[in-house]
Amino acid sequence: EILLTQSPGTLSLSPGERATLSCRASESVSTKYLAWLQQRPGQAPRLLISGTFRRATDIPDRFSGSGSGTDFTLTISRLEPEDFAVYYCQQYNRSPYTFGQGTKLEIK
Amino acid sequence: EVQLVESGGGLVQPGRSLRLSCAVSGFTFGDYAISWVRQAPGKGLEWITFIRSKLYGETIEYAASVKGRFTISRDDSKNIAYLQMNSLQTEDTAVYYCTRGASSDSQWNFSSDYWGQGTLVTVSS
Repeated sequence: EILLTQSPGTLSLSPGERATLSCRASESVSTKYLAWLQQRPGQAPRLLISGTFRRATDIPDRFSGSGSGTDFTLTISRLEPEDFAVYYCQQYNRSPYTFGQGTKLEIK
Repeated sequence: EVQLVESGGGLVQPGRSLRLSCAVSGFTFGDYAISWVRQAPGKGLEWITFIRSKLYGETIEYAASVKGRFTISRDDSKNIAYLQMNSLQTEDTAVYYCTRGASSDSQWNFSSDYWGQGTLVTVSS
């Protein structure tokens, strides 16, 4: 099983600032098979990025993904109020398709 | 509009069974893989199973935590996926989401681009 470790657990920032979220895998993951999701309170998760770099439909370009091998990053260039949520990475390189434990992005 | 609607959740005693359904609309169901992901109260996401499309042999995978107790299936004629859950345990208490294999991915390896609203399963005596 590929374990994903996200850091930090909680990130406190202000609107307008840049957010950098990390996801580290216990073994190499193809860039084709790494996704990021956002979950707001009381809502279902939403796909932000698949294949490490590819924004999902209707996702604003302030969200970007990068990385390779075992280290992946989600960057939010300028935080908007609606971006404060929990973010998960997921690998779908091989079964079981695991998620990281999540990073909570909170307003400072 | 793509929609996935889960149903069948509720309160069930330990050791009993429950069947969840995921009714979909707005896309050609048979072309897509379907996954189930759960979230225990206040916890993170846990992938538990998927079933690929007929094109990919309707192959199935399970997480170790549910293997041998849960069974995923699909009925392409009805546009419904199912999750049969047997021998339920208190640790199975969670919101269960069904999801669609992302159209931007191959339906062999896939993220989830559409999610249902979830159905709550509570296992308690």
